[in-house]
Amino acid sequence: GNSVTQMEGPVTLSEEAFLTINCTYTATGYPSLFWYVQYPGEGLQLLLKATKADDKGSNKGFEATYRKETTSFHLEKGSVQVSDSAVYFCALAQGAQKLVFGQGTRLTINP
Amino acid sequence: DVKVTQSSRYLVKRTGEKVFLECVQDMDHENMFWYRQDPGLGLRLIYFSYDVKMKEKGDIPEGYSVSREKKERFSLILESASTNQTSMYLCASGTGVSNQPQHFGDGTRLSIL
Repeated sequence: GNSVTQMEGPVTLSEEAFLTINCTYTATGYPSLFWYVQYPGEGLQLLLKATKADDKGSNKGFEATYRKETTSFHLEKGSVQVSDSAVYFCALAQGAQKLVFGQGTRLTINP
Repeated sequence: DVKVTQSSRYLVKRTGEKVFLECVQDMDHENMFWYRQDPGLGLRLIYFSYDVKMKEKGDIPEGYSVSREKKERFSLILESASTNQTSMYLCASGTGVSNQPQHFGDGTRLSIL
């Protein structure tokens, strides 16, 4: 079946550091890929998405590229801020919009 | 703006009680979902519904049931609550198109004592 694997957290960085959160997936066909973010005390909200191979999703300085050859969708940001502290979830969707989530990565940014 | 509203942010119930979690969406979405969120496990799908009165089991349906009598409302029911159902519950809605995102409520943190 479909599955998503994220790098284990928690991840702690200093402000202005470079961020990478790894995400790999297993799926048949061509799923759509998503990154969701959950700020403290809130539900999930869409951060970015990509729907076909080599697509790059971007939002709020975050980027991720759909790499079919490596079945990956790594999240990157060049310079993180304290306000980026949150839990990040990688997910894929196939058919009927059902999502399969990774386990989540808690990110803490220190000033 | 899209809005998914869950009836309670925090709920405390006792073992054996019947518990209802309510969710309402205002986007006229076809699909609605209930997830459970536990640390280290991500989100796991309990049930989803693709139309009024229609439902399908997700990955962890045991001990839960759902009801969708109106398009905008999707209820999760714990028939006889147990302590291992203490968790964060998230409701979501979507258009039914796989390349479109789901929209989430703020969650209900449920404690079963």
